[in-house]
Amino acid sequence: DAGVTQSPTHLIKTRGQQVTLRCSPISGHKSVSWYQQVLGQGPQFIFQYYEKEERGRGNFPDRFSARQFPNYSSELNVNALLLGDSALYLCASSLAGQGAYEQYFGPGTRLTVT
Amino acid sequence: AQRVTQPEKLLSVFKGAPVELKCNYSYSGSPELFWYVQYSRQRLQLLLRHISRESIKGFTADLNKGETSFHLKKPFAQEEDSAMYYCALPLGQNFVFGPGTRLSVLP
Repeated sequence: DAGVTQSPTHLIKTRGQQVTLRCSPISGHKSVSWYQQVLGQGPQFIFQYYEKEERGRGNFPDRFSARQFPNYSSELNVNALLLGDSALYLCASSLAGQGAYEQYFGPGTRLTVT
Repeated sequence: AQRVTQPEKLLSVFKGAPVELKCNYSYSGSPELFWYVQYSRQRLQLLLRHISRESIKGFTADLNKGETSFHLKKPFAQEEDSAMYYCALPLGQNFVFGPGTRLSVLP
């Protein structure tokens, strides 16, 4: 198993544009979480999805949305990009809920907004 | 607010010296705490969790509810321990990470 995979590896967008980031969890994992990591800070929780339903949401504006597909892969969408959205976006998968189970992280997608 | 703090951004020690990475939390309940590590050019990975009470790569961490701390310790640091270390606290469906401490083990 390749572990959690994310695509693309990095991308550059312009302010006001929209972006979609993708994540494939480890086989058998049903939970996917998204995090934003700004340079010099720890990861900040954005969303958690479990069994295709949103189970948790961090303190992010409505410009951020996500979904989970029947195969448990997930997409994170960000609309109306701002310069401050530039960050490393991490996806993590786990067997179930976050508290009880270890999270396995992907390599991240580096988003630069110009 | 419920949060995790790591007071040191950077900690430098010499090889063979003891190391302690500090983590304090603010939580009104019985917390379950984790330490995650990120080595250079690698992805973030779990180092240890307090509930398992394991020693991983020589590291241990004890939960001190009185001091609301979960410091990470290792008696003899190795150069390969150089990495970014994050303390983390699950809160419901959320997972709160501290700001991280960069450990640099000098030869």
